[in-house]
Amino acid sequence: DIVMTQSPDSLAVSLGERATINCKSSQSVLATSNNKNNLTWYQHKPGQPPKLLIYWASTRKSGVPDRFSGSGSGTDFTLTITSLQAEDVAVYYCQQFYALPFTFGQGTKLEIK
Amino acid sequence: QVQLVESGGGLVKPGGSLRLSCAASGFTFSDYDMYWIRQAPGKGLEWISYIYRIGTAIYYADSVEGRFTLSKDNDKKSLNLQMDSLRVEDSAVYFCASGSEVRGVFEYWGQGALVTVSS
Repeated sequence: DIVMTQSPDSLAVSLGERATINCKSSQSVLATSNNKNNLTWYQHKPGQPPKLLIYWASTRKSGVPDRFSGSGSGTDFTLTITSLQAEDVAVYYCQQFYALPFTFGQGTKLEIK
Repeated sequence: QVQLVESGGGLVKPGGSLRLSCAASGFTFSDYDMYWIRQAPGKGLEWISYIYRIGTAIYYADSVEGRFTLSKDNDKKSLNLQMDSLRVEDSAVYFCASGSEVRGVFEYWGQGALVTVSS
């Protein structure tokens, strides 16, 4: 199984500042068939279902604010939230869809400082 | 708009069974893969099952293989998860999710159904 490891486990950032969450996979999730990284990012707020933010490591889902961006390739990925807003408080998960079983990182809890 | 509504959760004793259903609307159900993902109390997300759009391929996580059975009724726009031989560690909120054009991307999620396995 591909193990996904996020860092940090929790993060406190001031409003308007940048938040950076890292995700590392135990093996490359870059698909040679289309040269795309099979990685997604989800936002999970308490009492709500998770919400897809980004897929192919850097493609923002329609409707997701452009302060959310994804980057990285191979085994190392980053979710960046520029200019943090109060509504961004949530747990963020990376997930690989390169191979079954699909696996998630342990989650990163983002709070306001 | 896409709606996924889970039902069938509840309290069950270890070794018992439950059947979760997910009613879909707002999209062409037969065109999309479907998934179940769960979250145990205080834990992260765990993918547990996936069914191909026309039901010809089904996959399970090792943690539920042989105990859970997934089915998809495209006529009724319903996704069903039969859970047998339940264990305490199966206690979780179970989310159904719809796929996108990309296998393994969980585009839309239901609100979840709580399953508690306890004696």
